Amino acid sequence: EDKVVQSPLSLVVHEGDTVTLNCSYEVTNFRSLLWYKQEKKAPTFLFMLTSSGIEKKSGRLSSILDKKELFSILNITATQTGDSAVYLCAVMNSGGSNYKLTFGKGTLLTVNP
Amino acid sequence: DSGVTQTPKHLITATGQRVTLRCSPRSGDLSVYWYQQSLDQGLQFLIHYYNGEERAKGNILERFSAQQFPDLHSELNLSSLELGDSALYFCASSVRDGNTIYFGEGSWLTVV
Repeated sequence: EDKVVQSPLSLVVHEGDTVTLNCSYEVTNFRSLLWYKQEKKAPTFLFMLTSSGIEKKSGRLSSILDKKELFSILNITATQTGDSAVYLCAVMNSGGSNYKLTFGKGTLLTVNP
Repeated sequence: DSGVTQTPKHLITATGQRVTLRCSPRSGDLSVYWYQQSLDQGLQFLIHYYNGEERAKGNILERFSAQQFPDLHSELNLSSLELGDSALYFCASSVRDGNTIYFGEGSWLTVV
C-alpha cells in the first residue's frame, strides 16, 4: 500500500525562525512529489518535484527531493504569521494509465508573533 | 482562486438521504479528482476521471459514485448517507494525467 509520512505532525515557532518539514514515502511507480499549503479550505499548490537533488525555490520557501532515500524536505526561512497553515506532502504514482495522488496527514505549523 | 469551482459550498442533510456535489474543472483541464477530507483521516483519494473515463478508484464506498460529463464537469453522488460521511469533499483538476493538481474550495457536507 502506498504510504506518505510527514513529520513533525505539528510545530510551533516564533516569527523569524527557520523551519524544516519532512516527508518520506513508499510508493510504487513514483512519478512526482508535491507540496501544498492548506489554510482554511483548499490546498494551494507550492511545488512539484520530480528529480533528485534539484532545489525548487519560491521566495522564503524551498524544497528538495531525494529519490534514493525516498524523502523530501520543505524549508521556510524567516517565518511569518501568515505561514501558519497545514503543509501537505503528496506523492503521485502511476500504474499504466492510472495516476494517483496520495497525501500525508500534514504538518500543522503555527507561527507566533 | 484555483479556477476549480465546486457547489454547493455547504450542505446539511439527514442520514439516509442522497446528495450530489458538482465540480467544474479549470478551463482546459481534462482530469478531475475527488478527495474526502475528515479530521482523523486526512485527504483520502476517492476517484479520478480523465476526459469522461474513469481512470482510478481509491477508497470510495459503494454508496458513492461519480461521473464526468462531455463538458468535463463532474458530479459526486453520495447516497444512503451516514453520520460518518460528514466531511469536506474536494474536487481537483489537472491539464492531463500526471500534471500538477489544483483544488477547488471544497463542499462541506454535514450529515445529521
